[in-house]
Amino acid sequence: EDKVVQSPLSLVVHEGDTVTLNCSYEVTNFRSLLWYKQEKKAPTFLFMLTSSGIEKKSGRLSSILDKKELFSILNITATQTGDSAVYLCAGVNAGNMLTFGGGTRLMVKP
Amino acid sequence: DAGVIQSPRHEVTEMGQEVTLRCKPISGHNSLFWYRQTMMRGLELLIYFNNNVPIDDSGMPEDRFSAKMPNASFSTLKIQPSEPRDSAVYFCASSSGGPGTGELFFGEGSRLTVL
Repeated sequence: EDKVVQSPLSLVVHEGDTVTLNCSYEVTNFRSLLWYKQEKKAPTFLFMLTSSGIEKKSGRLSSILDKKELFSILNITATQTGDSAVYLCAGVNAGNMLTFGGGTRLMVKP
Repeated sequence: DAGVIQSPRHEVTEMGQEVTLRCKPISGHNSLFWYRQTMMRGLELLIYFNNNVPIDDSGMPEDRFSAKMPNASFSTLKIQPSEPRDSAVYFCASSSGGPGTGELFFGEGSRLTVL
């Protein structure tokens, strides 16, 4: 059974801080790893990672995958209150099946 | 495109009643997923359709749950009879492309409360 574990479970920081969210996975026939941001409603897509060591970047967010050690990190620099959300990672297997982690709840205080 | 459309957005019902949740995927997407999200268990995959055919329903909790996809633009998830432990947010998601493309587009969810 595929398994994805995220840490920490929750995190409280102040605006301007940098945070690193962790995601480890055990996915049979692994294809890719996805990061999502979930505020009050549906998860919205952030990144898809398929290759080790290649950083994906979008503004203050960046993510990288290590397929040898089976983990990924999501970095957010210069955090803002609007970054407060639950961040989900998901491992995708060859059958296009996603297994989600439990999420990291980030709260950014002014 | 309007995105994935789910209805109802909220439903409150009594134990034993039938509940039907509806989903319209993004036009052209050939994969449709039903997920359930609770605080305790996070996002759990219930069932996955590809080209309207159920591929994996191993996540469906029990016989009280059933899902159909009669055509490419519509799917339902039915719970009969409903129980309080079914209370959750139910998400429908769709995607295009073959295996491994992975990116899902989620609807805004149907929040179900069973009293």
